[in-house]
Amino acid sequence: QKEVEQDPGPLSVPEGAIVSLNCTYSNSAFQYFMWYRQYSRKGPELLMYTYSSGNKEDGRFTAQVDKSSKYISLFIRDSQPSDSATYLCAMKEGRGSTLGRLYFGRGTQLTVWP
Amino acid sequence: DVKVTQSSRYLVKRTGEKVFLECVQDMDHENMFWYRQDPGLGLRLIYFSYDVKMKEKGDIPEGYSVSREKKERFSLILESASTNQTSMYLCASSSPGGLVAETQYFGPGTRLLVL
Repeated sequence: QKEVEQDPGPLSVPEGAIVSLNCTYSNSAFQYFMWYRQYSRKGPELLMYTYSSGNKEDGRFTAQVDKSSKYISLFIRDSQPSDSATYLCAMKEGRGSTLGRLYFGRGTQLTVWP
Repeated sequence: DVKVTQSSRYLVKRTGEKVFLECVQDMDHENMFWYRQDPGLGLRLIYFSYDVKMKEKGDIPEGYSVSREKKERFSLILESASTNQTSMYLCASSSPGGLVAETQYFGPGTRLLVL
């Protein structure tokens, strides 16, 4: 069983919709949780980062972590066509462990149509 | 601005050829990583390195080797390319002292086709 599970989609929504992207995981040692965005034919880039449980908001994006359920989410409000991309969740154990290795979900492909 | 560059965006090779993919980062990062990305399979870690001349196997090292002679450069080598190594190859780097929990910065990727 993969350590990080993510529904690959694809997900297609109209402009202005609220988008919810999710990942589940099995390793209770994960403490750092990230969301990367990858546009077509580009490398992934960091979008959001959260340490331990809780919420973090950045503009139209909100990241949530529920460590008790081993579940993380990314919400996109007022989605725009420019948000069309693949979103990958990533996780890491405590600082200094596993030599900086991240564990990625498979990515969810999102299309926002005008 | 962190910059990770990869030597080629697109590469076409023949089965059995030895293939070198180069990655260079300009942020003095200790950690460097090679992934391959395939539809439906996501990012899979091939090898990573946490220091010059040090390397660790990832999840799918078979058929690959790596070299890190200088801190800024990490090379992926396909000893004898096969068609099942056709993929997008992504390089990344990170620093243990990074502000954001060793977040990884990615290059643009090399799309390799093995015929």
